Amino acid sequence: GENVEQHPSTLSVQEGDSAVIKCTYSDSASNYFPWYKQELGKRPQLIIDIRSNVGEKKDQRIAVTLNKTAKHFSLHITETQPEDSAVYFCAATLKAAGNKLTFGGGTRVLVKP
Amino acid sequence: EAGVAQSPRYKIIEKRQSVAFWCNPISGHATLYWYQQILGQGPKLLIQFQNNGVVDDSQLPKDRFSAERLKGVDSTLKIQPAKLEDSAVYLCASSLAGANSYEQYFGPGTRLTVT
Repeated sequence: GENVEQHPSTLSVQEGDSAVIKCTYSDSASNYFPWYKQELGKRPQLIIDIRSNVGEKKDQRIAVTLNKTAKHFSLHITETQPEDSAVYFCAATLKAAGNKLTFGGGTRVLVKP
Repeated sequence: EAGVAQSPRYKIIEKRQSVAFWCNPISGHATLYWYQQILGQGPKLLIQFQNNGVVDDSQLPKDRFSAERLKGVDSTLKIQPAKLEDSAVYLCASSLAGANSYEQYFGPGTRLTVT
């Protein structure tokens, strides 16, 4: 089955700096890669996703890049703000497995004002 | 549109007791998922339904966990008997059916504490 590794597990940045989270996946047939943001005690919220036929996608201050050859994808947050503080999860899904999501272990991001 | 609804939000039980969680997906979403999220970890899929049929229950501990979605809408997840290691947040998610429908939307979860 699919296995997703996420690094780092914690990330502390100064407000205004950039944050980068990296994930690797094991199944080369995986075709959809979402990123979720989870604030303390709340539900995971989809913030951006990318499909396997695209190399990069951007939405305001967040962007995701995908390297299919290396089987890794990354989340980039620019001009970080205190409200970006949360746990971020990457995930990968395999269409042939009924679009089942396999999540990484999460990255706790702290943006210091 | 209304989101995924779950109840109860919190539950505290003693080990060996039973508990049930309820989920109402987004209207029109044929696919429903139950995840277990242990503190400090990512969600882990327990079971996936397409309408009222099970698509994947490979990670469901079937000796104690059961789930149903009888009419293809609401779903219940039951644990009987509960163990200490079942303490977690149980998240329900839903998505549209279809080959290109990937986005999953999560409910607020039920936080279970087993003492």
